[in-house]
Amino acid sequence: AQRVTQPEKLLSVFKGAPVELKCNYSYSGSPELFWYVQYSRQRLQLLLRHISRESIKGFTADLNKGETSFHLKKPFAQEEDSAMYYCALSGASGGSYIPTFGRGTSLIVHP
Amino acid sequence: EAGVTQSPTHLIKTRGQQATLRCSPISGHTSVYWYQQALGLGLQFLLWYDEGEERNRGNFPPRFSGRQFPNYSSELNVNALELEDSALYLCASSLEGRTHYGYTFGSGTRLTVV
Repeated sequence: AQRVTQPEKLLSVFKGAPVELKCNYSYSGSPELFWYVQYSRQRLQLLLRHISRESIKGFTADLNKGETSFHLKKPFAQEEDSAMYYCALSGASGGSYIPTFGRGTSLIVHP
Repeated sequence: EAGVTQSPTHLIKTRGQQATLRCSPISGHTSVYWYQQALGLGLQFLLWYDEGEERNRGNFPPRFSGRQFPNYSSELNVNALELEDSALYLCASSLEGRTHYGYTFGSGTRLTVV
């Protein structure tokens, strides 16, 4: 079975402060991991994926297989980063790829 | 390029009725996924269709069903509606059933059961 855990429902920081949104996963194989973001009144959209090792909007995420984590980080938060963030895992189970999402973390960046 | 489109935007039904939700994937995407986003529960996987067939389903009762048409659009049907079915239903699409590039989501259908 695969599981994604986002331990924080809400993360509140001030503008300019570092941000780390935690994501832990449980999966026996090699997972594909993603972060999705949902800004107010907008649709859920892909932020970044671990295979591309990219930085989007200043956010990065490193897959740590030893700790089974995929935390999302940004050194200096901006007010426009306020949104709902979902960690997601795609892994094969019985030959099918079953997408699993965490419950999400609401990030609020105060001015 | 048009994104994933869902209709209707809002749907109000009475308990016991049936609801039909529709989704058109991005052109070229053959896989369609349905999710339920209930308040406080995040996204719960409902169904996955690829090439016209149901490939997987989440932990939902059989009254949640659907189908995929030859043009890859999809319908989600919810029979015998219950109050707790009230939620935002999201559709997503991807290439060929692999999620290597992530999913593209629609804006959702807000289903309210009264």
